[in-house]
Amino acid sequence: EAQVTQNPRYLITVTGKKLTVTCSQNMNHEYMSWYRQDPGLGLRQIYYSMNVEVTDKGDVPEGYKVSRKEKRNFPLILESPSPNQTSLYFCASSLEGLSGNTIYFGEGSWLTVV
Amino acid sequence: GESVGLHLPTLSVQEGDNSIINCAYSNSASDYFIWYKQESGKGPQFIIDIRSNMDKRQGQRVTVLLNKTVKHLSLQIAATQPGDSAVYFCAFEGGTSYGKLTFGQGTILTVHP
Repeated sequence: EAQVTQNPRYLITVTGKKLTVTCSQNMNHEYMSWYRQDPGLGLRQIYYSMNVEVTDKGDVPEGYKVSRKEKRNFPLILESPSPNQTSLYFCASSLEGLSGNTIYFGEGSWLTVV
Repeated sequence: GESVGLHLPTLSVQEGDNSIINCAYSNSASDYFIWYKQESGKGPQFIIDIRSNMDKRQGQRVTVLLNKTVKHLSLQIAATQPGDSAVYFCAFEGGTSYGKLTFGQGTILTVHP
């Protein structure tokens, strides 16, 4: 089954404790991206990757890092989480970029930083 | 539209009615537009897309209209059903930043049986 898998789905952590949210897709997609969703603000793009070893900042990259060492995985790293990073996070992928390609979203990861 | 705020626009319709959800965008260089549906507890689901060289595109029960002159996008849902109840987002890809996707704030659609 074609899917985008995120882990963990739910996490409560403390300020400053490094964490990684993993994202994996089994569709051999080149494009992957991370978003955060906050009430009233819709989804905002954090980082995206057009292909392996290529990553670019989205609209809200501050406080996050990503890596794309292999095509299927695109982990989101919070080196020193803060309470304002409490949010619902979505990973997404598509075959090649955005235009004309269906974007598949994961089921989301609820992150709470206390 | 895309204005930032704590309260999402809402649209309430009766089952069987047609629904129209609107979205305004500001970047005139945007050349690719998408509508997503998000149900509670789930990730966004692709509905329909349109490129900037078109002004209308139809899918199954859905139509997207693009007016580049006034930078306006709309989603029309025909014969709306209770299962259409969800939050609907427009999104667009920036003209010079391929891969960068910007979402509107969303509209809550409620369909009453």
